[in-house]
Amino acid sequence: EPEVTQTPSHQVTQMGQEVILRCVPISNHLYFYWYRQILGQKVEFLVSFYNNEISEKSEIFDDQFSVERPDGSNFTLKIRSTKLEDSAMYFCASIPLAGGGGELFFGEGSRLTVL
Amino acid sequence: EDQVTQSPEALRLQEGESSSLNCSYTVSGLRGLFWYRQDPGKGPEFLFTLYSAGEEKEKERLKATLTKKESFLHITAPKPEDSATYLCAVQGNFNKFYFGSGTKLNVKP
Repeated sequence: EPEVTQTPSHQVTQMGQEVILRCVPISNHLYFYWYRQILGQKVEFLVSFYNNEISEKSEIFDDQFSVERPDGSNFTLKIRSTKLEDSAMYFCASIPLAGGGGELFFGEGSRLTVL
Repeated sequence: EDQVTQSPEALRLQEGESSSLNCSYTVSGLRGLFWYRQDPGKGPEFLFTLYSAGEEKEKERLKATLTKKESFLHITAPKPEDSATYLCAVQGNFNKFYFGSGTKLNVKP
């Protein structure tokens, strides 16, 4: 069964360091998302991405964050200068059809710990 | 404002004790309502999609139903392995998904 894969599964970094989280969405999916979940809290939307550009972003997704699709398969989330409050699980998700609806398929997540 | 509210926040059941989880929503242009199961430290695992009021979906001990304002996830004769957090999400316009805070279910043997 096709799946969304994320790396790394866990990253520990020092405050102020840059972090890149990587995702390989399901191959025929067109719409991609990053969500985060702080421990014990709800899943929060960060950004959606379609046709090689940001479709929508939340208030959380400030200038410290960026997304890229550097090639036909990878989808990355970069945090330029991490803060303690960036510690969370980051989930990549995708849907097959833009505008056609359908359930989000999630990866297993990348746990980011900022010290 | 589009939003999703789940209740209760936590639910403790004895094995075999049936119950229901609630998801109420307000969203403009509902395109679908989704239930997910999330185990600790894992990504949400898709369970059901419901598209229109009156629709029902079943999978093993779980049944999801949908009205115009809310959805229920009914758990019949739960087992300890059903313990998890159950998330509700709705899809609105422009492929935006809104998540509830989840219901943490604990089923004791």
